[in-house]
Amino acid sequence: DIQMTQSPSSLSASIGDRVTITCRASQTITKYLNWYQHKPGKGPKLLISTTSSLQSGVPSRFSGSGSGTEFTLTINGLQPEDFATYYCQQNFYTPYSFGQGTKLDIK
Amino acid sequence: QVQLQESGPRLVKPAETLSLTCTVSGDSIINYYWSWIRQPAGKGLEWLGRIYTTGSTNYNPSLENRVVMSVDTSKSQFSLKLTSVTAADTAVYYCARGNFGEYLFRDWGQGTLVTVSS
Repeated sequence: DIQMTQSPSSLSASIGDRVTITCRASQTITKYLNWYQHKPGKGPKLLISTTSSLQSGVPSRFSGSGSGTEFTLTINGLQPEDFATYYCQQNFYTPYSFGQGTKLDIK
Repeated sequence: QVQLQESGPRLVKPAETLSLTCTVSGDSIINYYWSWIRQPAGKGLEWLGRIYTTGSTNYNPSLENRVVMSVDTSKSQFSLKLTSVTAADTAVYYCARGNFGEYLFRDWGQGTLVTVSS
């Protein structure tokens, strides 16, 4: 199975900050990496698919990059609604696996 | 806009079977992949498996043959059965939808907490 490791596991930031979350795969997943935003009491929301494809309705301050085994999610100019937990997920090989999550909270 | 709603018993005894149903509204259930994903308290997300509307399934091998998924297109529902549960199966269970040919999760239910306890 492919193991996904996110760093950091938690992050404190201020409104307007630029933050980066890293996701590493235990073996190459080429470009098949997705990012989700999860808020309490709701199902996760798909933000970015296939490394860098921003989903419809997702603000352009979110961006993704990477390839192979290392990927990043960047948020430029944090807004109050961005404080949540973020998960990466590989869909290169079944079983599809998630990172353990990065909790982003307000400093 | 599609909506997914999980339903089923919130408390299951050890060694018994956990059964959940996801009801789909606002869009057709046909021609999509439907998955179950869970999250134990304080832990990450775990994909349990998926079913296509033809009934074709893929399961996570980690569940060691304890999982069965089914779909009822006439009711716009799909279901999860997890047998021989233990406390380790206590989690929030989500149902989710993905497009045919994709292996990601575009739409999610809000999740339901299932506790395994005597």
